[in-house]
Amino acid sequence: GDSVTQMEGPVTLSEEAFLTINCTYTATGYPSLFWYVQYPGEGLQLLLKATKADDKGSNKGFEATYRKETTSFHLEKGSVQVSDSAVYFCALSEGGSNYKLTFGKGTLLTVNP
Amino acid sequence: DVKVTQSSRYLVKRTGEKVFLECVQDMDHENMFWYRQDPGLGLRLIYFSYDVKMKEKGDIPEGYSVSREKKERFSLILESASTNQTSMYLCASTPGWGGSNQPQHFGDGTRLSIL
Repeated sequence: GDSVTQMEGPVTLSEEAFLTINCTYTATGYPSLFWYVQYPGEGLQLLLKATKADDKGSNKGFEATYRKETTSFHLEKGSVQVSDSAVYFCALSEGGSNYKLTFGKGTLLTVNP
Repeated sequence: DVKVTQSSRYLVKRTGEKVFLECVQDMDHENMFWYRQDPGLGLRLIYFSYDVKMKEKGDIPEGYSVSREKKERFSLILESASTNQTSMYLCASTPGWGGSNQPQHFGDGTRLSIL
């Protein structure tokens, strides 16, 4: 079945550091890929998405590119802020009319001033 | 903005009790989902519903049931609560159009403790 593997945390960075959180997937067909973020005490919210190969999703300075050849969707940000401290989840959806999401285990990011 | 509201942020129940977790969304979404979130395991899908009175099992349905009598409300039921059901429970919804490109909108979660 479908699966998502993301780098284990926790990840601790200083403000303005470069961030990469790796995500790889296994899926049949052509999935859509997502990054969700969970701030402390809140539910998940969509950060960015990509629906086909070579698409780049971006939002709030975060970017991720859908790489079909390496089955990856790594999350990057050039300069993190303290307010980016959260848990980040990579997820995939099988595509078409299937609305189910398969999530990775999440990566806790802490940014120190 | 879509609002998904879960009735309780924190809940403490005893082993063997029947527990109801309620979720309401205000955007007329067709699809609704219940997940549980555990450290090191991420989110796992318990049940989902594509329409009123329709339900389908997710990846870990054992020990749970659901009810969807109205479009805006999706209830998760623990028939006889056990300590291994202590967890964070998250509800989500999406519209019934746009396929898998639609993001899921989440509530803030219910942290359930079974003693």
